[in-house]
Amino acid sequence: EAQVTQNPRYLITVTGKKLTVTCSQNMNHEYMSWYRQDPGLGLRQIYYSMNVEVTDKGDVPEGYKVSRKEKRNFPLILESPSPNQTSLYFCASRIGRYENEQFFGPGTRLTVL
Amino acid sequence: RKEVEQDPGPFNVPEGATVAFNCTYSNSASQSFFWYRQDCRKEPKLLMSVYSSGNEDGRFTAQLNRASQYISLLIRDSKLSDSATYLCAVVPGQNFVFGPGTRLSVLP
Repeated sequence: EAQVTQNPRYLITVTGKKLTVTCSQNMNHEYMSWYRQDPGLGLRQIYYSMNVEVTDKGDVPEGYKVSRKEKRNFPLILESPSPNQTSLYFCASRIGRYENEQFFGPGTRLTVL
Repeated sequence: RKEVEQDPGPFNVPEGATVAFNCTYSNSASQSFFWYRQDCRKEPKLLMSVYSSGNEDGRFTAQLNRASQYISLLIRDSKLSDSATYLCAVVPGQNFVFGPGTRLSVLP
């Protein structure tokens, strides 16, 4: 089954404790993104990657890191999480830069205390 | 002004009603437009692309007005299962820009 998976789905952590949210897709997509979703603000792009070893900042990259060492994986790293990073996070992928359809992962609900 | 704006709603409509949502965008260079549906904080799923000439998929009709920089979604004969949040997305370059979403509740 073609899908985007994320882990963990739910996470409660404390300020400053490094964490990684994994994202994996099995569709051989080149383009992957991370978004955060907050009430009233919609989906905002954090980082994106156009291919292996090619990543770039989105609209809200502060406090986040990413890596793309393999085509299928695109982990999101929070080196020192803070309460303002409490949010719902989605990973997404699509075939190429200009393809229509993005496939989203199921989301990760993160709470930073 | 936000790049993409939507009326947050909620829109509460009875079953069978026709409801329309608008989405305005500020970047006139936007070339691609979409409507996504999101259920109860689950992942967004593509509902339909929006083409210049307008397009229809069953009870759903999408329109694009480039001159006024807005897209619309019309839902006819609303079903209970249409209750969700509808997100518009525009693509001014290579990245999607999403609106905050409009919540629809279809009531029995």
